[in-house]
Amino acid sequence: AQTVTQSQPEMSVQEAETVTLSCTYDTSESDYYLFWYKQPPSRQMILVIRQEAYKQQNATENRFSVNFQKAAKSFSLKISDSQLGDAAMYFCAVMGGGADGLTFGKGTHLIIQP
Amino acid sequence: DAGVIQSPRHEVTEMGQEVTLRCKPISGHDYLFWYRQTMMRGLELLIYFNNNVPIDDSGMPEDRFSAKMPNASFSTLKIQPSEPRDSAVYFCASGREDKFTTNEKLFFGSGTQLSVL
Repeated sequence: AQTVTQSQPEMSVQEAETVTLSCTYDTSESDYYLFWYKQPPSRQMILVIRQEAYKQQNATENRFSVNFQKAAKSFSLKISDSQLGDAAMYFCAVMGGGADGLTFGKGTHLIIQP
Repeated sequence: DAGVIQSPRHEVTEMGQEVTLRCKPISGHDYLFWYRQTMMRGLELLIYFNNNVPIDDSGMPEDRFSAKMPNASFSTLKIQPSEPRDSAVYFCASGREDKFTTNEKLFFGSGTQLSVL
């Protein structure tokens, strides 16, 4: 069984500043993948970034980067130069190598203050 | 490709009625997943299919819920009879297991907002 914990129900940041969203997970899989999804009010699930557990290098996508600490089972998301369009629910998720579906955290509501 | 297509986008029904949610996965995808999203429980995996065969339905909450995938391009999630506590957003997602190297392993539909009165 896999579990994902997001300890911050809500985060607020000033526009143009940097914010970090926390995520810890647990899995018995040796081969797995980690994801951050963004869900704006339109409720569309948008993949922000993904990380293969076997890669030591942290994934980066433009203003979004992760801090992957495999031993600690931690997978935080850093958003640099926050923009108003970043306001959304953010979900951390883990998937085992066997494509058995994503296990999601409860989400963090990110508010961007203008 | 049009992406994963779900219908209807919104469904309002009365308690006791049968509800059928529909999903068309992306062509060529061999996995299909049904998720339910509520404020209390977040996103929960209900069931998933591989090559049209149900693999794991342990997330289906009750016998009132059933899902089928008669062919590679269509799946349904049925609730009969529906209850107010079934009110949620239901997502369908599809993917290909061999796409580990690409940036998107699962593609989500826009979801169906179900309200049972």
